[in-house]
Amino acid sequence: GAGVSQSPRYKVAKRGQDVALRCDPISGHVSLFWYQQALGQGPEFLTYFQNEAQLDKSGLPSDRFFAERPEGSVSTLKIQRTQQEDSAVYLCASSLVIWGRVTEAFFGQGTRLTVV
Amino acid sequence: SQQGEEDPQALSIQEGENATMNCSYKTSINNLQWYRQNSGRGLVHLILIRSNEREKHSGRLRVTLDTSKKSSSLLITASRAADTASYFCARRNQGGKLIFGQGTELSVKP
Repeated sequence: GAGVSQSPRYKVAKRGQDVALRCDPISGHVSLFWYQQALGQGPEFLTYFQNEAQLDKSGLPSDRFFAERPEGSVSTLKIQRTQQEDSAVYLCASSLVIWGRVTEAFFGQGTRLTVV
Repeated sequence: SQQGEEDPQALSIQEGENATMNCSYKTSINNLQWYRQNSGRGLVHLILIRSNEREKHSGRLRVTLDTSKKSSSLLITASRAADTASYFCARRNQGGKLIFGQGTELSVKP
């Protein structure tokens, strides 16, 4: 499809398990963002890539969270030793950069992670 | 939290009525954006208003911006059941990331 694709849509993990969430951005989009959205809250920024470079990871809540985008397209968000507080929807967004400015962001449907 | 304030947190109206949602923010902005989120279509960009604009229209949507009060409002006219969703305002910081408000949950009853 032409939009941002995330997989899996739903993930149930046992506490302590490692998970990997995948994001396929829109082809040609240089910028890629990850957000975490807790139930009833707005999305909160986790990390930002421009091509393969991770320019901002200030929102990652702990060193258990790790994101990569090795070839500047697909990105993976990995959470090690999951905890119950990691339960949330993880959203990925991509956008173009024109004249040095990030343009409109297109969001994927998200991955709903439930840690039991 | 970096999030701004939105009110009301929840709003329930009848089809055909207008819905107004408000957003306040704390820092200066270049623009403010509004998004809609429902289970069917995820988070979708609705409208962007620049800091030098006071009002903007798109179909049944009307957005106002008051930079002196650091606030914005989204008005949906002649609401439909399909407008039922959560609505978020968001501002983009210099690094490009979006900072979202807490959202307003709108329910439009047929």
